[in-house]
Amino acid sequence: SQKIEQNSEALNIQEGKTATLTCNYTNYSPAYLQWYRQDPGRGPVFLLLIRENEKEKRKERLKVTFDTTLKQSLFHITASQPADSATYLCALDITGAGSYQLTFGKGTKLSVIP
Amino acid sequence: SAVISQKPSRDICQRGTSLTIQCQVDSQVTMMFWYRQQPGQSLTLIATANQGSEATYESGFVIDKFPISRPNLTFSTLTVSNMSPEDSSIYLCSVTGQGAGDTQYFGPGTRLTVL
Repeated sequence: SQKIEQNSEALNIQEGKTATLTCNYTNYSPAYLQWYRQDPGRGPVFLLLIRENEKEKRKERLKVTFDTTLKQSLFHITASQPADSATYLCALDITGAGSYQLTFGKGTKLSVIP
Repeated sequence: SAVISQKPSRDICQRGTSLTIQCQVDSQVTMMFWYRQQPGQSLTLIATANQGSEATYESGFVIDKFPISRPNLTFSTLTVSNMSPEDSSIYLCSVTGQGAGDTQYFGPGTRLTVL
C-alpha cells in the first residue's frame, strides 16, 4: 500500500542543536514534496517545497533534501530555538498529476529544550 | 499569498444535527480543499471543492454526509450532516493557485465536538 512515514512521533532536542526530521514514502513518484509546521489548535503553515529535480533547498535556518532514489526527504532546523517547537508535517501529491491534492504524514512533534 | 478565515472557529453539537462550516479567502484562488484532522492524527483530504460543479470526494467520503458548495472563487462551505461523535474533529479549508500561487494555504480550522 502507498504510505508516507515520518520517522518518529516526537523528537526532543537541546536548544542550539540541529534538528533532523525524516519523511519516507513508498510506491509514489512525486513531482514535489512539501513541509509544513503546525502549532496546537492551528492550521498547518507552509514552510518549503522541493521538486523532484532538486537535491536541496534552504530557507533561513531550514534545509530540506530530497532523494528520489531512497524515497526520502530530510528536514533540518539549524541552531534550533524553543520557538521552533511544533509538529512538522511532510506532504506529497500522490496523484502525480500536479493536482495539489496533498497526502500528509502523521507528523513529528519537535520539542526544543532550553 | 492568501488569508483564509473559517466560521465557526469551534462548535459543540448534538448527535443527529448538521453544521455548516464557511471558508472565505481574501483573493481568488484556483483550488479549494476540505481536510479533516481527527485527534492525534494527521490531515485527511475529504474533497476538492469545484466552482460551479459538484465536489470531488476522496475514498470514504460521500456527498450525502459532507455536502460542499463553492459558488465563486473565494468562498466554500462544508456541511457535516447527521453528526455522530465520530465526526468530532478539526475541519480545515485550504487553497492554492492564482492569488495563492503554488503554495497551499490553510485556514485556522473549525473544532467540532459532537455529543
